[in-house]
Amino acid sequence: GENVEQHPSTLSVQEGDSAVIKCTYSDSASNYFPWYKQELGKGPQLIIDIRSNVGEKKDQRIAVTLNKTAKHFSLHITETQPEDSAVYFCAAHNFLKTSYDKVIFGPGTSLSVIP
Amino acid sequence: DTAVSQTPKYLVTQMGNDKSIKCEQNLGHDTMYWYKQDSKKFLKIMFSYNNKELIINETVPNRFSPKSPDKAHLNLHINSLELGDSAVYFCASSQDRSGWYEQYFGPGTRLTVT
Repeated sequence: GENVEQHPSTLSVQEGDSAVIKCTYSDSASNYFPWYKQELGKGPQLIIDIRSNVGEKKDQRIAVTLNKTAKHFSLHITETQPEDSAVYFCAAHNFLKTSYDKVIFGPGTSLSVIP
Repeated sequence: DTAVSQTPKYLVTQMGNDKSIKCEQNLGHDTMYWYKQDSKKFLKIMFSYNNKELIINETVPNRFSPKSPDKAHLNLHINSLELGDSAVYFCASSQDRSGWYEQYFGPGTRLTVT
């Protein structure tokens, strides 16, 4: 089955700097890669996603890149702000496997933005 | 309006007791999930229902029994609670079972077993 690894597990950056979180996956057939942000005391919330026919996607200060050959994808946050402090989860899914419809989450990265 | 709601938010109980957590979504979604998040923040899927039909049942002790009376509700009943059941339990929903769409998570239920 699919396995998703995520690095680093914790990340501290100064406000205004960039943050990068990297994930790798094992199933080359995976074709959907969402990123979720979990603030303290809340449930995870989707912030951006990318599908396998796209190499990069950007939404204001966040961007995600996908390298299908290497089976890795990354989240980039620019001009970080204190409200970006949260746990970030990457995930992978192969929606063609109709018998096993689940998204596999990475272990999470705790991001702290220091004012 | 809250999209996915869970009750209770906190649950403190003793070993051996039986407890239930309720979840409701008002998004009109077909698919609902239960996840367990441990103290290290790992998110592990437990169950998934699509239109009241069980479609995912991970390796979960049979002390855990989900029930979906209709596609807007998914409840989780836990018998004979153990210390290791202490965790945050999240309910989520998505448009359909394909996994192609965003999952909307509830606020979580923090279960503490003493």
